[in-house]
Amino acid sequence: DGGITQSPKYLFRKEGQNVTLSCEQNLNHDAMYWYRQDPGQGLRLIYYSQIVNDFQKGDIAEGYSVSREKKESFPLTVTSAQKNPTAFYLCASRAQGVQPQHFGDGTRLSIL
Amino acid sequence: KQEVTQIPAALSVPEGENLVLNCSFTDSAIYNLQWFRQDPGKGLTSLLLIQSSQREQTSGRLNASLDKSSGRSTLYIAASQPGDSATYLCAVSTTSNTGNQFYFGTGTSLTVIP
Repeated sequence: DGGITQSPKYLFRKEGQNVTLSCEQNLNHDAMYWYRQDPGQGLRLIYYSQIVNDFQKGDIAEGYSVSREKKESFPLTVTSAQKNPTAFYLCASRAQGVQPQHFGDGTRLSIL
Repeated sequence: KQEVTQIPAALSVPEGENLVLNCSFTDSAIYNLQWFRQDPGKGLTSLLLIQSSQREQTSGRLNASLDKSSGRSTLYIAASQPGDSATYLCAVSTTSNTGNQFYFGTGTSLTVIP
């Protein structure tokens, strides 16, 4: 069954701690995206990657980091520099060309 | 920077009604537009994608239209059902030398009353 798997579903972060959110896809998509969703706001782009070993900052990249060492994986690290990390994080992927984005089920991050 | 607006923010209709959701965007230089459905606490499910050269797309009871020149798209849902209750989001994509970026509206929360 092809799709995008995000883990964990829920994550808690202590002050000063870095946490990493996992995103894995078996759709053979080249492009992958990380979004943040806050109540009453639309999705905002954090980082995106068009190919392996390359990624670009989105509108709200500060306090986050990513890597794209494998085509199927695009992990997101929320660093201690991100002062307001509580949000719902969504990962997406897309094939090349005019193709739709496909989303995972999200990770909800909260602060302890 | 592209801005996407969705009106209304919330909509409640009786079962069986036809309804229209609206999406507007500020920059008409888009690559494509995509409509999504989001259930509470879940990710987004793609409903329809319209290329910038197209005027509309249909899937079952759903029909999406695109008027690039006026910066508008509508999602028409025919014969609404309680299972259609969800938040509907539109997203427009633009291209640059670093790839495609997508800009999302804040969504319309739809409730279909049995």
